[in-house]
Amino acid sequence: ETGVTQTPRHLVMGMTNKKSLKCEQHLGHNAMYWYKQSAKKPLELMFVYNFKEQTENNSVPSRFSPECPNSSHLFLHLHTLQPEDSALYLCASSQREIGTGELFFGEGSRLTVL
Amino acid sequence: GENVEQHPSTLSVQEGDSAVIKCTYSDSASNYFPWYKQELGKRPQLIIDIRSNVGEKKDQRIAVTLNKTAKHFSLHITETQPEDSAVYFCAAIPTNTGNQFYFGTGTSLTVIP
Repeated sequence: ETGVTQTPRHLVMGMTNKKSLKCEQHLGHNAMYWYKQSAKKPLELMFVYNFKEQTENNSVPSRFSPECPNSSHLFLHLHTLQPEDSALYLCASSQREIGTGELFFGEGSRLTVL
Repeated sequence: GENVEQHPSTLSVQEGDSAVIKCTYSDSASNYFPWYKQELGKRPQLIIDIRSNVGEKKDQRIAVTLNKTAKHFSLHITETQPEDSAVYFCAAIPTNTGNQFYFGTGTSLTVIP
C-alpha cells in the first residue's frame, strides 16, 4: 500500500489501559508527525521526528509517548489517558525542507477514552 | 510563535456560486501557505499552496491570494460543486521553524445543490 497508513482506525480504551497507535509511510520521507484533531480546534502538532530524531514536543503530557524506530514507522504509546484526550490522531510525513514540504496525512486513528 | 486565524468557521453556498475563506497570520517570518481539504471521514489533503514571493496562484477553479503586508491570505473557489463540500484548513510555516505547520481552525464548506 502506498502513502501513509495508520492503525487502528478506531480505538476505545479505559483510563487505565495501555495502547499504541501505529503509523507507516511508504513515501520515502524523512520527517514524520503526530497531530491531534479535536472538534472546533486547529490541528495541534504533538511531535515531530526528523531522520528518526525527535525535534519537537509541543508540551504534550507524558501520558503520550512517541517512538520512531526508523524513518518509515512512528508509534504513539498511550497510557492512563483522560476523557479529554478523545480525538482523531493524525500521522503525517513530509520530505523535510526548510519552510516547505507537503504534509501527507494518514486516515487517522479515532480514539475514545472512557 | 505563529498564530493563524481562519474565517468563517462555517460557510454555505449555492452550487455554482463562489466561496472565499480568509486567514491571517502573525509571524512575518512565515513564507509558505498551504491549504488542505478534508472531506468527511477522510484525511486532509493539500489542494493548493503559495509561497511568499508570489501574490496569487490559480489551479482551475481554486485560487489563493497572499498579501504579505497585511499578513493575510485567502482561498477562492469558483463555480462551486457539491464535491467541494468539506473542511478547509489554512496553514502558515515560518522559515525559522523548519517544518512546523501552524493550522487555522478550519472552515466547514457546504455546497447546496
